[in-house]
Amino acid sequence: AQSVTQPDIHITVSEGASLELRCNYSYGATPYLFWYVQSPGQGLQLLLKYFSGDTLVQGIKGFEAEFKRSQSSFNLRKPSVHWSDAAEYFCAVGAGGTSYGKLTFGQGTILTVHP
Amino acid sequence: NAGVTQTPKFQVLKTGQSMTLQCAQDMNHEYMSWYRQDPGMGLRLIHYSVGAGITDQGEVPNGYNVSRSTTEDFPLRLLSAAPSQTSVYFCASRVLHRRQGGYGYTFGSGTRLTVV
Repeated sequence: AQSVTQPDIHITVSEGASLELRCNYSYGATPYLFWYVQSPGQGLQLLLKYFSGDTLVQGIKGFEAEFKRSQSSFNLRKPSVHWSDAAEYFCAVGAGGTSYGKLTFGQGTILTVHP
Repeated sequence: NAGVTQTPKFQVLKTGQSMTLQCAQDMNHEYMSWYRQDPGMGLRLIHYSVGAGITDQGEVPNGYNVSRSTTEDFPLRLLSAAPSQTSVYFCASRVLHRRQGGYGYTFGSGTRLTVV
């Protein structure tokens, strides 16, 4: 069965500092990987996704993530955090290929940004 | 396209009451699913459907029923609401990118349900 672990429940950074949110997945074959962001009381917004090819993926709002198969990781990074980045972030894994695989989410990481 | 539309946005139920959360999409997506979101637990899959007339259970199906009579609609029914079903519910549909590979999900804006 597929699973996702986000080890950090809550992260606090200062505005302008760099950010890395960790994501580890478990899946038997090639995974499809996603990062979503959710502002309080809002729905989910896709930041970026990885299906194949270049393991460094660029997303919206200046975010990027790197797929490392050997470490089963898909960590999200941003070089300089803005106050508007404060939100909850979810990593998710889905089945690769063309199967009707389900999307499994991690527990989420809440990001607080200090001015 | 309106995307994925969920109604209602908010609902308060008494224990034992029944209700249906509505979900509709106008993108002709075959795959639709329901998730519930609880603090510290991320989103967990309740039920999903790969097309009209076909549904299956996800990770947390107990207490919920679904049906898929049309491609557009995928309602979620709570037969006898319990306080443990207090949650935020998200409906999602999925499109396969057959040429470039992969797929994309479209989420609704959610239904916040409180059972007292």
